[in-house]
Amino acid sequence: DTGVSQDPRHKITKRGQNVTFRCDPISEHNRLYWYRQTLGQGPEFLTYFQNEAQLEKSRLLSDRFSAERPKGSFSTLEIQRTEQGDSAMYLCASTPGGERGSYEQYFGPGTRLTVT
Amino acid sequence: AQSVTQLGSHVSVSEGALVLLRCNYSSSVPPYLFWYVQYPNQGLQLLLKYTSAATLVKGINGFEAEFKKSETSFHLTKPSAHMSDAAEYFCAVSDSGTASKLTFGTGTRLQVTL
Repeated sequence: DTGVSQDPRHKITKRGQNVTFRCDPISEHNRLYWYRQTLGQGPEFLTYFQNEAQLEKSRLLSDRFSAERPKGSFSTLEIQRTEQGDSAMYLCASTPGGERGSYEQYFGPGTRLTVT
Repeated sequence: AQSVTQLGSHVSVSEGALVLLRCNYSSSVPPYLFWYVQYPNQGLQLLLKYTSAATLVKGINGFEAEFKKSETSFHLTKPSAHMSDAAEYFCAVSDSGTASKLTFGTGTRLQVTL
C-alpha cells in the first residue's frame, strides 16, 4: 500500500493556460474524490468517481473543469483557461467502496496550483 | 445538507497542557464524523472517526473525541500537548449516503509553545 499519489506537487501557470493534474489512488480503492482547498479554508468537494463513473459534481466545478477516470484506476483533473481564482491546493482522496466499504478517505499530498 | 463549525481558528497551548479543539455539526441524518490533521504543504491525515459505534473515539497520537448527539458536538482532545502536534486540524462530516463526500470545517490552527 503506497498511499495516494498526486502529480505534479506544484504547478505555476499563466492565466489562460490549461493545466492537468493526475491522481493515483490506493490500489483497489474504487472510489476517488477531488477536493479544492484555498488558503485558510477547509477542503471543498469537487467531484467523485465510483470506478470509472463520475457520479457527482459540485457546483464549484465550472465548465472549465473536467475530470476523468478512464479505467477506474488513476484520475485526471483538467482546468481550461485558468483564472487567478483557480489558485488553490487540489487534493485527491480514495476509499474502498462496496458493502464493506470504509467511509475513511485517504488523501494524497495535493497539487498546489498558482495562476499568475 | 451537512455542515461543520469549528470554533476558534487559532488555538495556542503550552507544551504539556490540555488540547481542546471544538467542532459542532449539523446533519439531518445520523452523521459520520472525522478529525483530520494537516501539516504544512501536505495532505490530510486521519486522526479518528465516529461511525455510530462507541461515542468516545480514540485516535492516533493520543487524541480522542467524544460524540455528543444532544450537543451536536464532536470535540477533539489530547491530555498533554507536544510540540509535534502543531498543525492545522479539520473536523469533517459525511452524509453516510452513497457519495460519502466530506464536508469540512474551516480548520483550527494549533500552536504549541514551550
